[in-house]
Amino acid sequence: AQTVTQSQPEMSVQEAETVTLSCTYDTSESDYYLFWYKQPPSRQMILVIRQEAYKQQNATENRFSVNFQKAAKSFSLKISDSQLGDAAMYFCASQKGAGSYQLTFGKGTKLSVIP
Amino acid sequence: DAGITQSPRYKITETGRQVTLMCHQTWSHSYMFWYRQDLGHGLRLIYYSAAADITDKGEVPDGYVVSRSKTENFPLTLESATRSQTSVYFCASSLAAGGPKTQYFGPGTRLLVL
Repeated sequence: AQTVTQSQPEMSVQEAETVTLSCTYDTSESDYYLFWYKQPPSRQMILVIRQEAYKQQNATENRFSVNFQKAAKSFSLKISDSQLGDAAMYFCASQKGAGSYQLTFGKGTKLSVIP
Repeated sequence: DAGITQSPRYKITETGRQVTLMCHQTWSHSYMFWYRQDLGHGLRLIYYSAAADITDKGEVPDGYVVSRSKTENFPLTLESATRSQTSVYFCASSLAAGGPKTQYFGPGTRLLVL
C-alpha cells in the first residue's frame, strides 16, 4: 500500500515571497508517479505539477517546482513569487505505475497568502 | 468542451434514503474514479472503473454501489444513506495510455445526510 504524509497542516507566506510545502511518501513500487493538486475555496481539484519517479530532473511549471528526493521519498513543492490566488489547500498524491492508477492523497496543507 | 461534470452539486437527504450521484465525462477516458473528501482525511477512493462494465472497490466502498454501462457515465449510489456518508464527493477520470495517468476532477457534490 502507498501512504502519503503532509506534515504541515497550515502554512502562510507573504505575497511575492517563496514557500515550500513538504510531502513524504512510502511505496514498494518501482514504477510510480507523484502529483500536487491545488484546491481553492471553490473546491475544484486542479493539477499543479506531476513527476515521474524514473526521471531525476525535477519538474517545473512556471512558478511551481518540486524537489524530488527519491532515496528519501520526499516530494516538496516550491511556490515562487507567491500570489494571492495561490491561497488554497494543496494535496500531495502518489500513483502506482500500473494497476488501478488510483491516487493516494495526503491530508493536505492549507496555504494562506498575506498581502 | 464540457470535460467532467457532476450532478447534483448539492444534495440534502435523510437517513435510509437512496441517493444517486451522477458523473459524466466527454473525453472518452477509460478510467473513472469516485473519491470522498472529509475533514482530516484528504480524499479517499470509494470505487473505480477501468472501462465500461469493469468496476472495482477502493479504500472505502462500504455502503456504496457503482455501475458503468457507458464509458462516459459513472453513477455512484448510496443504497441507504447514513449520516457518516455526509461528505463532498468527487468524480475523476483519466486516460489509460502510457505515462502518468493524470486524473481530472469534477467540481464535486456536497451531500448532507440528516
